[in-house]
Amino acid sequence: SQQGEEDPQALSIQEGENATMNCSYKTSINNLQWYRQNSGRGLVHLILIRSNEREKHSGRLRVTLDTSKKSSSLLITASRAADTASYFCATDAGYSGGGADGLTFGKGTHLIIQP
Amino acid sequence: NAGVTQTPKFQVLKTGQSMTLQCAQDMNHEYMSWYRQDPGMGLRLIHYSVGAGITDQGEVPNGYNVSRSTTEDFPLRLLSAAPSQTSVYFCASSYNRGWVSGNTIYFGEGSWLTVV
Repeated sequence: SQQGEEDPQALSIQEGENATMNCSYKTSINNLQWYRQNSGRGLVHLILIRSNEREKHSGRLRVTLDTSKKSSSLLITASRAADTASYFCATDAGYSGGGADGLTFGKGTHLIIQP
Repeated sequence: NAGVTQTPKFQVLKTGQSMTLQCAQDMNHEYMSWYRQDPGMGLRLIHYSVGAGITDQGEVPNGYNVSRSTTEDFPLRLLSAAPSQTSVYFCASSYNRGWVSGNTIYFGEGSWLTVV
């Protein structure tokens, strides 16, 4: 079953604008991660935020986590054409819930940066 | 340091055929896993291994088999291919349960499999 659900499914913005993607999940987690996937490539780890953290920054990335709402957001500031990719959130919900020892991914947000 | 290497990149199988997707990592990672990615479905965990000689099932294990005889290799076997197994397959590894400790998880570039 899909634990994380990203919103929106697709997002198209102009270069230089900020891009915000949201992720909701259903069960308790230890941490939540965001990944980027360029077309035809593997996933690249962007950032991990633990359940006791509310906000984390990495370069132009800002991630927030609201465990009371079971949601997270990924903000990419000053977007560039190279940011065009699909972005996925992933949680350890399965492991936390005594299930399979792996990540549970959402369906992703496809981000297009218009030059 | 090659990271996580998957082969083949592309494969077309006929229904009922068997094949093995290879995955190798050179980072001495204990944890390795296989995911499949289908359009609109995100990635789903097939099988995983927390160390040599230890494997376990993920969310969608049916029709697949794995073994972990060495730390470096984690092959995924399709026993009797079905059209429903048409997908993109990703192998991933981390030093340990990366999501617990915060270690980076590394993904291979993917294997595109079509079953006709």
